Amino acid sequence: NAGVMQNPRHLVRRRGQEARLRCSPMKGHSHVYWYRQLPEEGLKFMVYLQKENIIDESGMPKERFSAEFPKEGPSILRIQQVVRGDSAAYFCASSPPLVAYNEQFFGPGTRLTVL
Amino acid sequence: QKEVEQDPGPLSVPEGAIVSLNCTYSNSAFQYFMWYRQYSRKGPELLMYTYSSGNKEDGRFTAQVDKSSKYISLFIRDSQPSDSATYLCAMSYNSGGYQKVTFGIGTKLQVIP
Repeated sequence: NAGVMQNPRHLVRRRGQEARLRCSPMKGHSHVYWYRQLPEEGLKFMVYLQKENIIDESGMPKERFSAEFPKEGPSILRIQQVVRGDSAAYFCASSPPLVAYNEQFFGPGTRLTVL
Repeated sequence: QKEVEQDPGPLSVPEGAIVSLNCTYSNSAFQYFMWYRQYSRKGPELLMYTYSSGNKEDGRFTAQVDKSSKYISLFIRDSQPSDSATYLCAMSYNSGGYQKVTFGIGTKLQVIP
């Protein structure tokens, strides 16, 4: 059973370009979470999605960032008009249909560098 | 004040030492308490979780939760060089029907052979 897959693993963009990060959850998992990790801040929650629904986007910046988890295909985190401050490691996690305890399985991350 | 406080270290110990990692928190709504291990350039992986106060042991690892003090600990016995990693505490509470997870900043541990 393959784990959570993220691609690309490394992404370089120039300021003003768009970044698209993809996440394929573990088989049987219908819940996806996106986190951003900066050395000084740790792992910060961005958004929680189920198939075709955004459940909690309280951690998403109000502008330039969007996320989706379509009925078919991977979850996408999109960053428009990237700025240097967007440089970070972005992790996706998935979990099975909810039980009492929310165990999240993490992917290897996408490291975004904005030049 | 951050919801979860964790000393980022780094913490260096000799092989075989007992390691103590700790976090404090301010949100009394937290119900589940977890420890993740993250190797360099990798995603976090779950080590252990506990529900409410108490102790839980798994091999060389013991997790403790003291809800009255809002303090959690992870002990590693007989530490090995392969334990060198960043350890993140995490806690969750029920938010609109799902367990919302908050992470500490992580403590970087180095076990010296």
